[in-house]
Amino acid sequence: GESVGLHLPTLSVQEGDNSIINCAYSNSASDYFIWYKQESGKGPQFIIDIRSNMDKRQGQRVTVLLNKTVKHLSLQIAATQPGDSAVYFCAEKSGTGRRALTFGSGTRLQVQP
Amino acid sequence: EPEVTQTPSHQVTQMGQEVILRCVPISNHLYFYWYRQILGQKVEFLVSFYNNEISEKSEIFDDQFSVERPDGSNFTLKIRSTKLEDSAMYFCASSGGGHYTDTQYFGPGTRLTVL
Repeated sequence: GESVGLHLPTLSVQEGDNSIINCAYSNSASDYFIWYKQESGKGPQFIIDIRSNMDKRQGQRVTVLLNKTVKHLSLQIAATQPGDSAVYFCAEKSGTGRRALTFGSGTRLQVQP
Repeated sequence: EPEVTQTPSHQVTQMGQEVILRCVPISNHLYFYWYRQILGQKVEFLVSFYNNEISEKSEIFDDQFSVERPDGSNFTLKIRSTKLEDSAMYFCASSGGGHYTDTQYFGPGTRLTVL
């Protein structure tokens, strides 16, 4: 079946380093992708999104890259801080008219001081 | 900054009982959603709601589930006869209704524990 999945369940980085969190998707009809951050006991928090007609989008300290050829999405966090420690989910919206988001299984980012 | 709110934060119920989870979406949003997350698992879509009717639902959203917008601000999820496997975090979300980039903003969740 179609799914969104993550390669690494846990990523540990040093404070100040750059982090890269990856996501693979299998639905070529997906037209919109979103990264969410989820801290313990809280709901998913929107970080950044990208439409399928784009390859790259930058926000504040975050960049999302989309490679449609290999159906791969990544989230880059610059100068990772302890407050970035959380679980990160990619999600996709697939198909015209459908608004349901399909979430990946999540990557836990641990920032070491 | 506007945000989605949910009540209660934690609900404990006995198997077979009815529960109602409540949400107040962001005020000018048009689409409302319920998702759930079983402990340690992915966030899963349940249902979306637009113009006072269900616009989309998943296989999880069976006859035991229903949604309602009883007034201009609240959006509710009812589970008629809870089962042990309904134990999960339930998240409400809302979005403004853009065609492509319709960002969904999530509430803090209600933890439902079915005993």
